[in-house]
Amino acid sequence: GIQVEQSPPDLILQEGANSTLRCNFSDSVNNLQWFHQNPWGQLINLFYIPSGTKQNGRLSATTVATERYSLLYISSSQTTDSGVYFCALLIYNQGGKLIFGQGTELSVKP
Amino acid sequence: GAGVSQSPSNKVTEKGKDVELRCDPISGHTALYWYRQSLGQGLEFLIYFQGNSAPDKSGLPSDRFSAERTGGSVSTLTIQRTQQEDSAVYLCASSSGGAANYGYTFGSGTRLTVV
Repeated sequence: GIQVEQSPPDLILQEGANSTLRCNFSDSVNNLQWFHQNPWGQLINLFYIPSGTKQNGRLSATTVATERYSLLYISSSQTTDSGVYFCALLIYNQGGKLIFGQGTELSVKP
Repeated sequence: GAGVSQSPSNKVTEKGKDVELRCDPISGHTALYWYRQSLGQGLEFLIYFQGNSAPDKSGLPSDRFSAERTGGSVSTLTIQRTQQEDSAVYLCASSSGGAANYGYTFGSGTRLTVV
């Protein structure tokens, strides 16, 4: 089946530091999405990025579909960035179900 | 409604009892999904509904799990004869479909604890 792997599994940063999270996937990209799950469990969609680069404030994401990976960059991290970051493949020919990676748990210390 | 609403937010049940989890999707969203997040794990697809089509039940872990969606809106996930391994957060999502990213919106989840 389709595999989605994320690294690192966890990460601790000092406030203000930058970080890069990686997502590798085994299948050609239908639609790669990044989510943030806050400490209260709410999942928020950050990016839909099947290819190329997108930026939203301090966050940006790049997907290289031919090499089957995506990167999420967090710059000048803040404590509110803490939580778990998931990447997921949306499978169009299976009704839009998502296949998630195991997540990267980020903790930003003041 | 403004978002996807799930109830209850927390449920503690005794092993062997049946439980029902409810999901109210965003009005007008044609697709509804259930996922399960076990402790320290990623999200696992359970079932999805699209309009009036037959649901995709391929992710349901056993025949103790079932779900229905009435009137193309509210959905109920039922777990019969609960086991301790059913303890998890159950997340519901709805989407508009059609859009490239499917317009996914997740609810806040129901945390189920089987004791």
